[in-house]
Amino acid sequence: GAVVSQHPSRVICKSGTSVKIECRSLDFQATTMFWYRQFPKQSLMLMATSNEGSKATYEQGVEKDKFLINHASLTLSTLTVTSAHPEDSSFYICSASRGLIGNQPQHFGDGTRLSIL
Amino acid sequence: DAKTTQPTSMDCAEGRAANLPCNHSTISGNEYVYWYRQIHSQGPQYIIHGLKNNETNEMASLIITEDRKSSTLILPHATLRDTAVYYCIAMEYGNKLVFGAGTILRVKS
Repeated sequence: GAVVSQHPSRVICKSGTSVKIECRSLDFQATTMFWYRQFPKQSLMLMATSNEGSKATYEQGVEKDKFLINHASLTLSTLTVTSAHPEDSSFYICSASRGLIGNQPQHFGDGTRLSIL
Repeated sequence: DAKTTQPTSMDCAEGRAANLPCNHSTISGNEYVYWYRQIHSQGPQYIIHGLKNNETNEMASLIITEDRKSSTLILPHATLRDTAVYYCIAMEYGNKLVFGAGTILRVKS
């Protein structure tokens, strides 16, 4: 089946630093990738949609200058949390889709647990 | 995309079939029914999806009513590893997956 790899799985860093999270589709080309955030005991919330070669589309309330998304190739999207603060601590999850080709579902990575001290 | 309604939680005995219902009474003709599950501290796992016809794969079966207003996910022989939060999502293909609260399924020995 389709595999989406996310790295790192866990990161702990000091307040004010920037953190980059990578999302790779390992066995298919992903024209569209999605970034979600999940707080404890809550459901996933979509942050943004990224399409290869174009700017990401952010959901309402998500700061695009805070959460930088780059989708430079068909197999890699990155999310950079800039100047992270404790309130940014969360579980970040990406998903990838082949896009509007056939009838293909989104596949998710295993998530990155971000802890800001 | 149509809103879905699922029970908050369900229990199932190990080895028995787990039947998870989902109501999507406002679903439109172009919207698929997707099922995902999330095991604690992991990313969601795709299970199955369908439009009109019932579907079956190695993980589960999806039964969609004729009027498409509700569906049931069936795990034929639940194991302890099937304990997870199950999400039913109605989505027009190519749109965004919007997750609700889902159903917490507890499989008990």
